[in-house]
Amino acid sequence: GENVEQHPSTLSVQEGDSAVIKCTYSDSASNYFPWYKQELGKGPQLIIDIRSNVGEKKDQRIAVTLNKTAKHFSLHITETQPEDSAVYFCAANSGYSTLTFGKGTMLLVSP
Amino acid sequence: NAGVTQTPKFRILKIGQSMTLQCTQDMNHNYMYWYRQDPGMGLKLIYYSVGAGITDKGEVPNGYNVSRSTTEDFPLRLELAAPSQTSVYFCASSYEGQRYGYTFGSGTRLTVV
Repeated sequence: GENVEQHPSTLSVQEGDSAVIKCTYSDSASNYFPWYKQELGKGPQLIIDIRSNVGEKKDQRIAVTLNKTAKHFSLHITETQPEDSAVYFCAANSGYSTLTFGKGTMLLVSP
Repeated sequence: NAGVTQTPKFRILKIGQSMTLQCTQDMNHNYMYWYRQDPGMGLKLIYYSVGAGITDKGEVPNGYNVSRSTTEDFPLRLELAAPSQTSVYFCASSYEGQRYGYTFGSGTRLTVV
């Protein structure tokens, strides 16, 4: 089955800096890669996704990149703000409707 | 729309007890899922359903059971609770046009002592 590795497990940045979270996947059949943000005490929330026919996707301060050959995909957050502090999960589709998640990255943005 | 509603939010069980975690969604989503979240371990799929009357095992189904008698409800049953089932449980749903764009509930924190 699919295996998703995520790094780093924790990331501390200063407000205004950029943050990058990286993931790798194992199943070359995977073609959909979402990113979820989980705030304290809440369920994960979808923030952006990318499909395998696209190399990059942007939404305001958030961007995702995908390298199918290397089986890598990354989340980039620019101009970080304290409200970006949360746990971020990458995922890859692993079945007709199921996702395999990475272990998560705790992002802390200090004012 | 309330989205995905999970009850209870917190529960303490004794070893060997049983309980049902409730999950209901009001978005008419076909697909529903149960994940467990352990510290540093991400989200692991327990069971999922692609429609009423259809359920299937995920990565970590042992010790759990599910049923899907209606589109809205997808309860998760724990029989003979064990300390290894101490976790935060999340229910999620999605629809055909966005199968992988899950809407999650707010979770149930379960402690087995």
